[in-house]
Amino acid sequence: ETGVTQSPTHLIKTRGQQVTLRCSSQSGHNTVSWYQQALGQGPQFIFQYYREEENGRGNFPPRFSGLQFPNYSSELNVNALELDDSALYLCASSVGSSAGGQETQYFGPGTRLLVL
Amino acid sequence: AQSVAQPEDQVNVAEGNPLTVKCTYSVSGNPYLFWYVQYPNRGLQFLLKYITGDNLVKGSYGFEAEFNKSQTSFHLKKPSALVSDSALYFCAVRDMMRYNRLAFGKGNQVVVIP
Repeated sequence: ETGVTQSPTHLIKTRGQQVTLRCSSQSGHNTVSWYQQALGQGPQFIFQYYREEENGRGNFPPRFSGLQFPNYSSELNVNALELDDSALYLCASSVGSSAGGQETQYFGPGTRLLVL
Repeated sequence: AQSVAQPEDQVNVAEGNPLTVKCTYSVSGNPYLFWYVQYPNRGLQFLLKYITGDNLVKGSYGFEAEFNKSQTSFHLKKPSALVSDSALYFCAVRDMMRYNRLAFGKGNQVVVIP
């Protein structure tokens, strides 16, 4: 196990609702990255947080937002849920720097979100 | 943009036989390549990575990968497959141009037949 935890494990929401997913990073890690994995696909990068600041964003609309706390845990918020948001949401923690580098990302078990 | 391709959807191998999962990459600059494995209803587990140095990288659970610059490939290998190796395998490249995100392939389902 990596030491990266996510909650909840499963979630069912209806279209238009809002959801918050949580991630606790591995001890000593200051960077959290969030990915969306649709069924049968590889994970897609949503955004990354380094020392409480957003450090990059993938091709996801603004209704996907995030937060990183002083203890480096993180939240992913999704507003106005759509059916296509149904997926496994993965967070990964790593030891980052402002310049980036070769650090390995260690993944949590994921939160499976179903939007009806 | 940096990307990887995993050309096969599924790899079937008999238990005890060598296992190979293929990955090719497209990058500008030096490639930082990774392999992860995903078991059903689980997150991704790190297996190994290539940053620089020896072209043969050894990782967890007896897996290794061979980096080939001329063929732009990074194939995952295991000399003798176990039934417990049945899982989904992802190749990924670090996109240094885009915030150090990992760009993943679509994944390969490996089925080890007893």
